[in-house]
Amino acid sequence: GESVGLHLPTLSVQEGDNSIINCAYSNSASDYFIWYKQESGKGPQFIIDIRSNMDKRQGQRVTVLLNKTVKHLSLQIAATQPGDSAVYFCAEKGGGYSTLTFGKGTMLLVSP
Amino acid sequence: NAGVTQTPKFRILKIGQSMTLQCAQDMNHNYMYWYRQDPGMGLKLIYYSVGAGITDKGEVPNGYNVSRSTTEDFPLRLELAAPSQTSVYFCASSYSAAGGNYGYTFGSGTRLTVV
Repeated sequence: GESVGLHLPTLSVQEGDNSIINCAYSNSASDYFIWYKQESGKGPQFIIDIRSNMDKRQGQRVTVLLNKTVKHLSLQIAATQPGDSAVYFCAEKGGGYSTLTFGKGTMLLVSP
Repeated sequence: NAGVTQTPKFRILKIGQSMTLQCAQDMNHNYMYWYRQDPGMGLKLIYYSVGAGITDKGEVPNGYNVSRSTTEDFPLRLELAAPSQTSVYFCASSYSAAGGNYGYTFGSGTRLTVV
């Protein structure tokens, strides 16, 4: 069936670096995408979202890029901080009303 | 606002026992969801509800039951616990499926171990 997946299971960066977390999706009907951050022992927290009629959206220190041609989503974190260490999930919503489908997650490790 | 509240936070069950995982939200959200998260894996949808009195199966519903008698509460029932149900369970809610922000608000999870 349709699925959302991630290219890199673990990403290690130095504090201050920019981080890029990637996600591939396979449902061409998906019209909405979200990035979540999950810290150890906690539930996922919303970071940023993007609709399929956009290709870029910026938040505070985060940018999401959407390439519908190759069905690829990325999360860019500027000036990564130790507090950014967490697992990051992408999620997609199919067309119309449907529930979110989550990818497996990427662990981001930030070294001081 | 408390957001989404899940109880208990931890539980150990013996095979064959039953239990109910509680979930409550105070945001007046119409939609509620139950997910399970296995180690190193993403979230898999168990059941969801689009409003009081309406529930539907997700990707992995076998071994679970739900009810939605009020907008606020969405309990998840395990009738005969099995080791395969060892997981972390997350409840979530969202305001609307049509337009606006589809983002879910998650609870802090219930860690269940079946031995």
